[in-house]
Amino acid sequence: DAGVIQSPRHEVTEMGQEVTLRCKPISGHNSLFWYRQTMMRGLELLIYFNNNVPIDDSGMPEDRFSAKMPNASFSTLKIQPSEPRDSAVYFCASSLGDRAPSNQPQHFGDGTRLSIL
Amino acid sequence: AQSVSQHNHHVILSEAASLELGCNYSYGGTVNLFWYVQYPGQHLQLLLKYFSGDPLVKGIKGFEAEFIKSKFSFNLRKPSVQWSDTAEYFCAVKGGYSTLTFGKGTMLLVSP
Repeated sequence: DAGVIQSPRHEVTEMGQEVTLRCKPISGHNSLFWYRQTMMRGLELLIYFNNNVPIDDSGMPEDRFSAKMPNASFSTLKIQPSEPRDSAVYFCASSLGDRAPSNQPQHFGDGTRLSIL
Repeated sequence: AQSVSQHNHHVILSEAASLELGCNYSYGGTVNLFWYVQYPGQHLQLLLKYFSGDPLVKGIKGFEAEFIKSKFSFNLRKPSVQWSDTAEYFCAVKGGYSTLTFGKGTMLLVSP
């Protein structure tokens, strides 16, 4: 079975550039989560969607970050403009659940390792 | 607000040694508890979960965890570790209608 698919796996870009991270959740999962992982702060929830609707974006660090889920099989996390402190591994996860947030286990993608120079 | 505390940032063991990783949480109501593992360069994978019932939970790869409600703890154990268990381990808690909160992780290094 295909798991959560993220692209790209690695992204290196200069500060000020726009970065777009992509995620395809597991088919049938109706909750989708974006996390950021750094050595200093560990794993932080940025935003999550339920049935394509953003439910809680309180973890989004600032207005430079935005996320969309135009349909049940695709989500993007965009950073514009990017800064060196945005360097981290960004994970997407999905889960089943009729209500948000579900207590069903989350399935993680392989992550995008982002480096902003 | 809920929170999770993992006692050790790094643990180094020899193969065949026993493992116990500490996890304490703070939340006043009913919780769901999880342990995830992240092998080097890979994504997080679920090891085991506790929702209700028997507080001793068996997971994959010989791991188990015990929920002790009075101590707000959910420690992970394995009687005999292998080199392949080298990974980072995350405890996570979900209370009520809140989202999942992860601990900072414990890096386990098993030397052959």
